[in-house]
Amino acid sequence: QKEVEQDPGPLSVPEGAIVSLNCTYSNSAFQYFMWYRQYSRKGPELLMYTYSSGNKEDGRFTAQVDKSSKYISLFIRDSQPSDSATYLCAMSERFQKLVFGTGTRLLVSP
Amino acid sequence: KAGVTQTPRYLIKTRGQQVTLSCSPISGHRSVSWYQQTPGQGLQFLFEYFSETQRNKGNFPGRFSGRQFSNSRSEMNVSTLELGDSALYLCASSLPGGAIDNEQFFGPGTRLTVL
Repeated sequence: QKEVEQDPGPLSVPEGAIVSLNCTYSNSAFQYFMWYRQYSRKGPELLMYTYSSGNKEDGRFTAQVDKSSKYISLFIRDSQPSDSATYLCAMSERFQKLVFGTGTRLLVSP
Repeated sequence: KAGVTQTPRYLIKTRGQQVTLSCSPISGHRSVSWYQQTPGQGLQFLFEYFSETQRNKGNFPGRFSGRQFSNSRSEMNVSTLELGDSALYLCASSLPGGAIDNEQFFGPGTRLTVL
């Protein structure tokens, strides 16, 4: 079993929909939680960064961390075709390597 | 400010050969991490260098090695290439203080194909 599990998708939604992306993990020592977005033929770029539990909002994006359930989520409101990309969750213990999920491919149709 | 650059962008090699990939971090970034990305396994951590020293290492065989120079540029080398080494190799840099507590900025990657 992988340390971080993420549904590969693809997840197809119409423009304007609310998107929910999720990851589960098994290592209770993870403290840092991130979401990266990767467009085709590009490297990942950091979208959201959360330390420990709680919610964080940035524009149309909201990240949630539930450490008791070992579950993290990324919500995208008013999704746009430009949001079509692969979304990777990543997490780590302090001073340890980042562990990534395999990524969820999101397709937002106009 | 220029982003992370990786060269070459594409590479085709045959089994048994060796390959060297190069990464130039963002100016001022001293930490460089390398990842292998494949469809089945996703992004897997190879190693991290900080101030010319390897600080973290992933679970890859010894055929995968790296180094960092005094100007923070980094190279990774894969010897005796296998078909399974075909992947996108990504380099990420971050500010002084460590790769974990700071944002990692990724390069576009080097697409390696082993025939």
